[in-house]
Amino acid sequence: SQTIHQWPATLVQPVGSPLSLECTVEGTSNPNLYWYRQAAGRGLQLLFYSVGIGQISSEVPQNLSASRPQDRQFILSSKKLLLSDSGFYLCAWSAGTSNQPQHFGDGTRLSIL
Amino acid sequence: AQSVTQLGSHVSVSEGALVLLRCNYSSSVPPYLFWYVQYPNQGLQLLLKYTTGATLVKGINGFEAEFKKSETSFHLTKPSAHMSDAAEYFCAVSRNSGGSNYKLTFGKGTLLTVNP
Repeated sequence: SQTIHQWPATLVQPVGSPLSLECTVEGTSNPNLYWYRQAAGRGLQLLFYSVGIGQISSEVPQNLSASRPQDRQFILSSKKLLLSDSGFYLCAWSAGTSNQPQHFGDGTRLSIL
Repeated sequence: AQSVTQLGSHVSVSEGALVLLRCNYSSSVPPYLFWYVQYPNQGLQLLLKYTTGATLVKGINGFEAEFKKSETSFHLTKPSAHMSDAAEYFCAVSRNSGGSNYKLTFGKGTLLTVNP
């Protein structure tokens, strides 16, 4: 069966520090991969998605970037964190057809001080 | 463009009472619809999905939803609420953003509180 892993579960970082969040998927090949941010009371905001290695699409211009160095690895990064980057970050994967749901990781709670 | 509206950001029910969480969608093509549940500090878990076929869909934890095309609705119900159902619920519709990539458009979520 397929599983998705995200780490770390929680992270506290100072303003201006770099960021790297990692997501890996097991048990499937060539998944679509997604990064979301969930701010308190504001629902889910799609940040990036990828349909293949090295293919990244950005939904919202911001202080973050994403990379997909391997088929089942998706990384969210920042060179200098802002206070506004605080939130709950979720990674998800799906098969590449419209009738398949997205499956989510357990998330990373990021607090910027 | 597709959109999802969840009526009621907060719903409160008594334990044992009917749960009804409302979701309306707009879509220019036949939709694929999903309900997710999120417990505090956890990711989203798929409750159920509608793709084609039977319009009444049964999911996990005793939940079900009915696709009504004429009403553009996909409301989530459970006959008898349990304390463990307290969580946030998200309705979503699938949309094609080109090629093999399909994105989900989410509603803003409904927080369900279950009172003893």
